[in-house]
Amino acid sequence: GQQLNQSPQSMFIQEGEDVSMNCTSSSIFNTWLWYKQDPGEGPVLLIALYKAGELTSNGRLTAQFGITRKDSFLNISASIPSDVGIYFCAGPPGGGSNYKLTFGKGTLLTVNP
Amino acid sequence: SQTIHQWPATLVQPVGSPLSLECTVEGTSNPNLYWYRQAAGRGLQLLFYSVGIGQISSEVPQNLSASRPQDRQFILSSKKLLLSDSGFYLCAWSRGQYEQYFGPGTRLTVT
Repeated sequence: GQQLNQSPQSMFIQEGEDVSMNCTSSSIFNTWLWYKQDPGEGPVLLIALYKAGELTSNGRLTAQFGITRKDSFLNISASIPSDVGIYFCAGPPGGGSNYKLTFGKGTLLTVNP
Repeated sequence: SQTIHQWPATLVQPVGSPLSLECTVEGTSNPNLYWYRQAAGRGLQLLFYSVGIGQISSEVPQNLSASRPQDRQFILSSKKLLLSDSGFYLCAWSRGQYEQYFGPGTRLTVT
């Protein structure tokens, strides 16, 4: 099946730094979703992207739908300790069924105060 | 607003014992429902999904089964647990869109 490759796998940053992570696929996706999972909890939807080239912000978070439709990027500005967690990208494989999502393996973010 | 509940939050069960995890959604009707398992390696593995009462699709052949006895209730079961069934089980719902919304999860440890 289609896979989503997230990079980096882990990040260790200092509080106040900006963060960038990305998600790539060998196939076209028509929707990109970004989730954050706090330790021991379920993932929470952060941002949803629907159009190639779309740039969407949610507070200090900004995500972009790549022009090629095969990638997406998530940026976090001025990181704070509560940004710690795993960030997942996801999208519907094949661009068709709205029943299933493919998830990346996540980027683990650690923020040092 | 919609809310999703899962219980129990944590569970420790011996090998060979049965399992029943429950998920309920409030504030919406006829949702799509999903069961995922998350191992220590972080990836989310889709186990089952349902688009309506009594309709279950299995993604991975395994020791588990799912049922949807009511519109907003989704149950994950096993007759005999294996050590490899340990993990973090997540229920999610969606409503006609790609976005899925997750519950708080159940941490299952099989001993």
